[in-house]
Amino acid sequence: AQSVTQPDIHITVSEGASLELRCNYSYGATPYLFWYVQSPGQGLQLLLKYFSGDTLVQGIKGFEAEFKRSQSSFNLRKPSVHWSDAAEYFCAVGAVEYGNKLVFGAGTILRVKS
Amino acid sequence: EAGVTQFPSHSVIEKGQTVTLRCDPISGHDNLYWYRRVMGKEIKFLLHFVKESKQDESGMPNNRFLAERTGGTYSTLKVQPAELEDSGVYFCASRAGGGIRQYFGPGTRLTVT
Repeated sequence: AQSVTQPDIHITVSEGASLELRCNYSYGATPYLFWYVQSPGQGLQLLLKYFSGDTLVQGIKGFEAEFKRSQSSFNLRKPSVHWSDAAEYFCAVGAVEYGNKLVFGAGTILRVKS
Repeated sequence: EAGVTQFPSHSVIEKGQTVTLRCDPISGHDNLYWYRRVMGKEIKFLLHFVKESKQDESGMPNNRFLAERTGGTYSTLKVQPAELEDSGVYFCASRAGGGIRQYFGPGTRLTVT
């Protein structure tokens, strides 16, 4: 069965500090991976995606993620967090073999303290 | 280019009533997906349309849920009769044929009291 694990439900970081959100997946096919962000009252916004090629991908708002096949991980990072980054972050996995339907992690709520 | 739109943004109904949610995908996107997030849980797949056909409805929770996609354009998701556990946020997403990225709508928050 396909599954995505985001082990941290809540994370609090100070503004200007670095951030890493963890994502591990279990999947029976060659996956492609996404990170989405949802701010309060907003929809899901795509931060970045990995399909193939370079395993370090750059996204919007200064975020990046690294795909590590050996660890089945796709962790999201940002070197310096801004107060506006406070939101909920979702890791998602899909595959062409499964009709591209996405399997989501439970989400990580990021709080930024000044 | 207009994004995916959903209507209504919020619906409050009583248990036993009927509610219909609507999704308008990005023009030209053959693939349309419905997802749901109930309180405290992860976002879960409900079903997938390719044009007007249901490609995969393995995530539909029960027969109180009926999804349609008229003419391969907009889609509706009807819940009849609604139960308390149906409360949550319903997301719609669309994808161009040959593409992989799904574009999400803002969601409809459904509250069943």
